[in-house]
This record gives sequence, structure tokens and C-alpha cells, in this order.
Amino acid sequence: QLQLQESGPGLVKPSETLSLTCSVSGGSISSSTYYWGWIRQPPGKGLEWIGSIYYSGSTYYKSSLKSRVTISVDTSKNQFSLKLSSVTAADTAVYYCARSPFSVTIFGVVTRYFDYWGQGTLVTVSS
Amino acid sequence: EIVLTQSPGTLSLSPGERATLSCRASQSVSSSYLAWYQQKPGQAPRLLIYGASSRATGIPDRFSGSGSGTDFTLTISRLEPEDFAVYYCQQSGSSPGGTFGQGTKVEIK
Repeated sequence: QLQLQESGPGLVKPSETLSLTCSVSGGSISSSTYYWGWIRQPPGKGLEWIGSIYYSGSTYYKSSLKSRVTISVDTSKNQFSLKLSSVTAADTAVYYCARSPFSVTIFGVVTRYFDYWGQGTLVTVSS
Repeated sequence: EIVLTQSPGTLSLSPGERATLSCRASQSVSSSYLAWYQQKPGQAPRLLIYGASSRATGIPDRFSGSGSGTDFTLTISRLEPEDFAVYYCQQSGSSPGGTFGQGTKVEIK
């Protein structure tokens, strides 16, 4: 059974960089069939896709976050990571990692849905 | 960016009743890229429906999805106590990751 587990600091100061890692077990992150993504959810609010990465390192980011986001992959450790720079209180959220099948369309790569999720980790931005 | 609007915001029903949740897109979405999720408090979302109408592995057949174009529906034929939760739709047909609706809460009446 595939499992994803987020890890990282639960408290980050304003203007600093949020760093999280997602460890994948029960399956290989190097599968050619999936992208691996980050989604966040501010307390009491809805879901927001942040970005996704393929095992080769190909990435896609939400346009409004693109200037602050970096997602990387370490296939030797079966992990992928999120860095979000210059954080503010608005970045306080539960951060989830998830797996998604993908398709190549006339618009390029689209991740179809998220079928396996980590349990999420709350990151609070506060001094 | 395609905006998904879910209605109603809250649905108050009793166990055994039928629930009908709506997801309307600001522009046409391919059915292949419309999904529904269930989220309970303190838990990660769980995939229910993908491709607008295909149930994910292990999802009971009381959950069904339908629709096309800009209008999609999630139906729960007979609510079980464990079905009271928040439901989100998601589209990803025109951009990686796509967008989520704001959610519909199904609460016990």
C-alpha cells in the first residue's frame, strides 16, 4: 500500500523559507506514470494546488506562487521536497503531498487527480 | 484560471436521504479531468470520483458522479453516518494541478 508522509518544521518566521519533505513508501517515486504534488489548505478554508514534479525533475507550479516555490526530487531516497520562500501569515496552512496520474494534452501535461495523500502537516508562519 | 463554484455551501440532511452536490465551472472542462474528494475533520482529502463518473478504488456505489461541460454533480444515493463531511470538486483539464471548488459541507440535520 502506497504511503506518503510529510515532514518539516511546524513553525516558520515571516520572510523565511518553508521547507517540507514528502517520503514515499510502498511504491517507487520513479514510476513513469505519476507526478508528485503539493497541495495546501489554510485553516478552515479550501484546497490549493502548489506544484507538481516528475521523477525526472520536470516541474509545474501554480502561477501565482511560481516566484517563491521550488519543488525537487531525490529518487535515491524516494522523496520529494517543497521550498516556499519569503513566507507570510497567508502561507499558514496544512500542507499535503499527493500522487497524481497525468496526461499529455494540447495544453501540455495535466495532472488528472490526486489518488494518494499524506496525512498533512500544519505549518504556521509567525514570529 | 478556471473557477469552480460549488453549491450549496452547506447541505443539511438526515441519514438515508439523498444528497445532490453541484460543481459549476467558469468555462468548459473535459469530463476526463473532473474529480471529487471527501474530507473529514483532521483528515486528508480522499478521492471519490475521477473522470467525472468513475469511482475510485474502494468507494461504495452509493457515490456517483455525472455531468459535462460546465455542470457536474456528485450524488450520494442514501447517506450513511460516515458520509457527513466536506466535499470538493477539482478540475485539471487545462493546467497542471488545476483548481478546486470551495467545498460543500454535508451536515446532519
